[in-house]
Order: sequence, then C-alpha cells, then structure tokens
Amino acid sequence: ETGVTQTPRHLVMGMTNKKSLKCEQHLGHNAMYWYKQSAKKPLELMFVYNFKEQTENNSVPSRFSPECPNSSHLFLHLHTLQPEDSALYLCASSQQGALGLFFGSGTQLSVL
Amino acid sequence: DQQVKQNSPSLSVQEGRISILNCDYTNSMFDYFLWYKKYPAEGPTFLISISSIKDKNEDGRFTVFLNKSAKHLSLHIVPSQPGDSAVYFCAASAGISGNTGKLIFGQGTTLQVKP
Repeated sequence: ETGVTQTPRHLVMGMTNKKSLKCEQHLGHNAMYWYKQSAKKPLELMFVYNFKEQTENNSVPSRFSPECPNSSHLFLHLHTLQPEDSALYLCASSQQGALGLFFGSGTQLSVL
Repeated sequence: DQQVKQNSPSLSVQEGRISILNCDYTNSMFDYFLWYKKYPAEGPTFLISISSIKDKNEDGRFTVFLNKSAKHLSLHIVPSQPGDSAVYFCAASAGISGNTGKLIFGQGTTLQVKP
C-alpha cells in the first residue's frame, strides 16, 4: 500500500448507529487531518493531529470523535449522526513544515 | 465568512485552448496558495503552488499567477487536454508554525475540456 488509504470507501448508516472511519498513511508523515466535503461547499477542516496530539478541533460537534493511536493511523468515530452529516470525509497527511497535503480517496457517508 | 472563494462553479473549454480558473481570498495573512485537482471517486491531488513573495509560478502546462493587491490568483492551463477535466480547488495557508497542512479551501471549479 502506498500513499494515504481510507476505509470504507462508502458507508450508509442510520442515525442511531455507531461506525468508524479508518485512515492509514504510508508516507512517514507526522501530521494527519480530517476534512469534510459537502456538496457544493469548500473542503472544511475538522481535526488536525501533529505527532499523535490533537492540535485543532474546528468546532466539530461531539458526535464526531477522532482518534490517533500513532502517526500512521487516524480514526473518526461516528455516533448519532444527522442526515446533514452526509458528505465525503477525507483524510490527509503532511510532513510538519513541508508544503502540501496528501489526501486519501475519501469515505462517502450517507446518514439515513 | 468564506476566506477563499471560487466564484465560477464550472468552466467548459475546447481541447487545445487555454483554461483560466480564478480564485479570490480575503485574508491578507495568507502566504502560500495551492491548487488541487480532484477526479471523481478520488481524493484531491496537489497540482501547483505559489508563495506570496512571487507573482508567477510555472510547471509545464500549468501556471499560477498571484495578484496580492487584488487578493486574486488564477490557474492557467495551456493547452487544455481532455484529461484535465476535473474539479479544481484553490487553497490558502497562513503558514502559522510551519503547519502548511492547515489549508483553507475554495468551493471548487469543475473544468470540462471538450475534445
């Protein structure tokens, strides 16, 4: 595996379900991110982790709970989501101090 | 308030012609600007960037121009090819603490290059 991989690629869940999105980066980077892309909206930064420590939470509702057990893995735990949370969730990584993000292919989430 | 704006949601260009994608920003603290390209079912991929100390950066068929006084940047693709058809995102960074992964994105412009 190379680059940034995300699983699952697609997810459909009910509002009472609990699910998790997984991201793994194989680039040796030390920063990881969750972005959200809703239809016809800009990519929105959700969380930033540097060296496994959360350094940014962009006013994200608590029904989204990130976890970063090490510099290569990032999770987004989901519970009691709303239909308006349906979006493409993108994971990215970067090297601290270097320019540019490397994105995964994203998880297309639908909340029914 | 949206700090990075791409006011054209879509653009259609004939193959071989020039594609010009525009981006405006409001935050004068931004010092790095990037363009990302996104195909359906894939994540965005980095295309080209420019520092605020420059007004032009060129990489093959892609050139980015920065007009700081107007807080405007543009991406020129010459000549356009059908494989360039994708969504293009403009992004900006204030480079705080060297963490250039904290990017602010525009809404994207969908480019269609017709054969």
